[in-house]
Amino acid sequence: DAKTTQPNSMESNEEEPVHLPCNHSTISGTDYIHWYRQLPSQGPEYVIHGLTSNVNNRMASLAIAEDRKSSTLILHRATLRDAAVYYCISFEGSQGNLIFGKGTKLSVKP
Amino acid sequence: DGGITQSPKYLFRKEGQNVTLSCEQNLNHDAMYWYRQDPGQGLRLIYYSQIVNDFQKGDIAEGYSVSREKKESFPLTVTSAQKNPTAFYLCASSWTGYGYTFGSGTRLTVV
Repeated sequence: DAKTTQPNSMESNEEEPVHLPCNHSTISGTDYIHWYRQLPSQGPEYVIHGLTSNVNNRMASLAIAEDRKSSTLILHRATLRDAAVYYCISFEGSQGNLIFGKGTKLSVKP
Repeated sequence: DGGITQSPKYLFRKEGQNVTLSCEQNLNHDAMYWYRQDPGQGLRLIYYSQIVNDFQKGDIAEGYSVSREKKESFPLTVTSAQKNPTAFYLCASSWTGYGYTFGSGTRLTVV
């Protein structure tokens, strides 16, 4: 499972899009990119994951670079409830476990 | 509704005591995990179990013990050998190779 690099913190205004970057330059061909988020005093919750092509779900979109060395989590319209720590994790799945770094702390201003 | 239940939500332990944190899931997941989180830090893996009656140490297993006698249950015991046990403990489960579902955590404080 490759190491990921994320900014420590980001700020956004409410109802604006947010782009959370993640670098994973040593990712292998079978590693999926997972995103989780953690609200204060709660357990992390799954957001989205992908392998090569861009992915969308009701929570967010995941844009994966063509060389797979980076990805971006996109929240289309940030709300105050989106304020959380967002973790980007490279994870092969059949072996190993999810390894969490410090993530990006997202603040959303009204 | 399916999910993971951790209890208690808050736990206070005297120095030198063992305490057991409960984790129960009704998702029929094969794998279960225990993580520890310190303030401002990410999660660190304590123990994990891919199947009943089998478990492996994670990165920080010293001072902790687990059992997996049933698929639904994966209790964590924090022993007196754990020198700095005050932390937020999170349990998770998954189908092997898929996304994790986390419980709401137990906050343990040594008094």
